[in-house]
Amino acid sequence: NAGVTQTPKFQVLKTGQSMTLQCAQDMNHEYMSWYRQDPGMGLRLIHYSVGAGITDQGEVPNGYNVSRSTTEDFPLRLLSAAPSQTSVYFCASSSGFGWGTSNTEAFFGQGTRLTVV
Amino acid sequence: GNSVTQMEGPVTLSEEAFLTINCTYTATGYPSLFWYVQYPGEGLQLLLKATKADDKGSNKGFEATYRKETTSFHLEKGSVQVSDSAVYFCALSVYGNKLVFGAGTILRVKS
Repeated sequence: NAGVTQTPKFQVLKTGQSMTLQCAQDMNHEYMSWYRQDPGMGLRLIHYSVGAGITDQGEVPNGYNVSRSTTEDFPLRLLSAAPSQTSVYFCASSSGFGWGTSNTEAFFGQGTRLTVV
Repeated sequence: GNSVTQMEGPVTLSEEAFLTINCTYTATGYPSLFWYVQYPGEGLQLLLKATKADDKGSNKGFEATYRKETTSFHLEKGSVQVSDSAVYFCALSVYGNKLVFGAGTILRVKS
């Protein structure tokens, strides 16, 4: 049972390079999201998707693009990497709206540690 | 807006000590409250949750009670173990699908 799988686990980029962080889930979850984790700031929402073909911005979307062509996959694209994007990135999925309901839980991947030099 | 404030760490305890990690929140609306745990090198896992006032969430010996009057959701454990060493995040969601996290509290337990 794979859950949420992120690749790569580690990546070093040069300023200005582009790359895609991959996220896949095998739980048939509708809701997927990307967070970045920075010291002393917790996790901040970058983008999210409520289903295939539907995406929206979170708290810190600038410099990132997403798409959701299938239920399983939710890649995050860095168009032109900057040192300020050095962070740990987490993908999460949930069975739908209502994370406050008793039967809804967010499942997280193991993270991608990105360094931009 | 919605926000979560956690006590700063790191918190260092000896094995079998009592643990409290404070968490307070500000929310528009009626939030659900969560504690997530992140073990070294791993993603976040849901530890416990509470969806209405006075509810107590519990799991693995950890407990937290939803206190609406003090807007708090403090995490407690009566006797910590070395294996509890991790980063603990308090979080809330209002009307569903977005989680707002606190900054996280590092817990170190010494044998």
